[in-house]
Amino acid sequence: GQQLNQSPQSMFIQEGEDVSMNCTSSSIFNTWLWYKQEPGEGPVLLIALYKAGELTSNGRLTAQFGITRKDSFLNISASIPSDVGIYFCAGLPAGKGAQKLVFGQGTRLTINP
Amino acid sequence: DTEVTQTPKHLVMGMTNKKSLKCEQHMGHRAMYWYKQKAKKPPELMFVYSYEKLSINESVPSRFSPECPNSSLLNLHLHALQPEDSALYLCASSQEYSTDTQYFGPGTRLTVL
Repeated sequence: GQQLNQSPQSMFIQEGEDVSMNCTSSSIFNTWLWYKQEPGEGPVLLIALYKAGELTSNGRLTAQFGITRKDSFLNISASIPSDVGIYFCAGLPAGKGAQKLVFGQGTRLTINP
Repeated sequence: DTEVTQTPKHLVMGMTNKKSLKCEQHMGHRAMYWYKQKAKKPPELMFVYSYEKLSINESVPSRFSPECPNSSLLNLHLHALQPEDSALYLCASSQEYSTDTQYFGPGTRLTVL
């Protein structure tokens, strides 16, 4: 089945630094989603991307749907302590019939104040 | 409003108990999902309901029994669980199955003793 390779697996940064993470696949996707999950809580949708080349912002977060439809990245600018958590990319594969959401393994973000 | 609610927040049960997890959404979504999530891993799909009918069962053991009483409610009945079933159980919903963005609830933290 389809797989998403998400990197990096973890990041340790200083408050105020910018963050970049990405997901890649050998398969084509129709939709890319970025979620943030904090301990003991469910994933919260940050950004949804529906079109190749699409660049979307949500406050300090910016995400792009890759032109090849096989990748996506998420950037966080000027990180703050509340950005701590696990960030998951997820994608809906292209193809005939119903497709299941595929998740990356997550990027764990830790911020030193 | 993109809220999915889940009850209870935490559940501790013995291996001989019968319990139920509940999920509710009022966004008019016609697809609802159950996921299981182990620590530091992405969510794993268990069941999908589309228009109140079970569309996907990801070979889940019969000790987990889903139910969709109406388009807003989704239950997961638990019976004779094993300690390895301890996990965060997440409910999600989307406008339609497979093509739309999924919104997650806060989850139920289940511990099986």
